[in-house]
Amino acid sequence: EIVMTQSPATLSVSPGERATLSCRASQSVSSNLAWYQQKPGQAPRLLIYGASTRATGIPARFSGSGSGTEFTLTISSLQSEDFAVYYCHQYNNWPRTFGQGTKVEIK
Amino acid sequence: QVQLVQSGAEVKKPGASVKVSCKASGYTFTSYSITWVRQAPGQGLEWMGWISGYNGNTNYAQKLQDRVTMTTDTSTSTAYMELRSLRSDDTAVYYCARGGVYAIDYWGQGTLVTVSS
Repeated sequence: EIVMTQSPATLSVSPGERATLSCRASQSVSSNLAWYQQKPGQAPRLLIYGASTRATGIPARFSGSGSGTEFTLTISSLQSEDFAVYYCHQYNNWPRTFGQGTKVEIK
Repeated sequence: QVQLVQSGAEVKKPGASVKVSCKASGYTFTSYSITWVRQAPGQGLEWMGWISGYNGNTNYAQKLQDRVTMTTDTSTSTAYMELRSLRSDDTAVYYCARGGVYAIDYWGQGTLVTVSS
């Protein structure tokens, strides 16, 4: 099973600042990597798929990069609605797996 | 628009079974698969398994293999997830989501299953 490790566990950022979230796979997942945002009491929402393609309706301040085993989600200028938990997810190998999440909180 | 509407919350005793439904609309059901994901209170997302909307092929998480069954009813565009021999650590919100071969894109609203004596 591919283990997805996200860092940091918690990221404290001021509104308007840049946030950089990392996700590492225990073996290559090519570009078959997605990022999800989850707010309390809500289902996750797809942000990025194919490691770098924004899903429909996702603002341009969200960007994804990487391939193989190292991936990054960048939020260029944090808005109040961006404070949430973010998960990476590999869909290259069975079983599919998720990272443990990074909580982005207000500094 | 794509929608996945799940059945309501359940309270079950240890050892019982639960069956959660997920009714899809807004797309051709047989053209996509359904993935089931659960989330224990305060915890992260756990992939449970996948079922093809086209032919019913499945792939389950090894830890649940012996207790979970995923099915579909293409006549009603509904997916089902049954979990047997429930334990307290099965208490979680259960989500169905569209996709799984490729990225999961749309999610249901979630179904809270509470296992308590």
